[in-house]
Amino acid sequence: KQEVTQIPAALSVPEGENLVLNCSFTDSAIYNLQWFRQDPGKGLTSLLLIQSSQREQTSGRLNASLDKSSGRSTLYIAASQPGDSATYLCAVTMDSNYQLIWGAGTKLIIKP
Amino acid sequence: GAVVSQHPSWVICKSGTSVKIECRSLDFQATTMFWYRQFPKQSLMLMATSNEGSKATYEQGVEKDKFLINHASLTLSTLTVTSAHPEDSSFYICSVRTGGLYIQYFGAGTRLSVL
Repeated sequence: KQEVTQIPAALSVPEGENLVLNCSFTDSAIYNLQWFRQDPGKGLTSLLLIQSSQREQTSGRLNASLDKSSGRSTLYIAASQPGDSATYLCAVTMDSNYQLIWGAGTKLIIKP
Repeated sequence: GAVVSQHPSWVICKSGTSVKIECRSLDFQATTMFWYRQFPKQSLMLMATSNEGSKATYEQGVEKDKFLINHASLTLSTLTVTSAHPEDSSFYICSVRTGGLYIQYFGAGTRLSVL
């Protein structure tokens, strides 16, 4: 059974710092991995999607990497801003049934 | 990406009443929609897969008679929480899936509070 773990559960850093969020999964038979952002009481915004054959994806200040063999992904946020404060979720799409399996998220607070 | 509209965004109801949540795919026909539930500080849990024109497939532990799903058209799926109780209070999110790329697009979610 696929399990997705995100560490840390919460993170608070000063504005301007670069930071890394971690996501690990136990079953490497994934179709893709996605990083989402969730603002309090709101839905999900897809940030980056990495296909299983890819190693990384970049969008603006965000860079996501994928090491499928080791079951790890990282989300790198450069020059963090208070507007980046949110909960960041990672989810893998299973190869077998295309279901999404979610991590519990990392709550990020960027202090001005 | 696809645009998914979910309504209402927030609902408060009395215990014992039923609540209907709508999920609409605004710009493409979705044969498959998903309903998720999220408790505070927890990950999303898939409740059921909704297929247009057929019965929904429920995940283990989800009561199909309590959470009624109807996917009557290619653009609309509804989730009805019947005889709601305080323990049903949660954040419910729907998504639609594109057939070719297996990417899901999400609605903004519905926060249900049962008093």
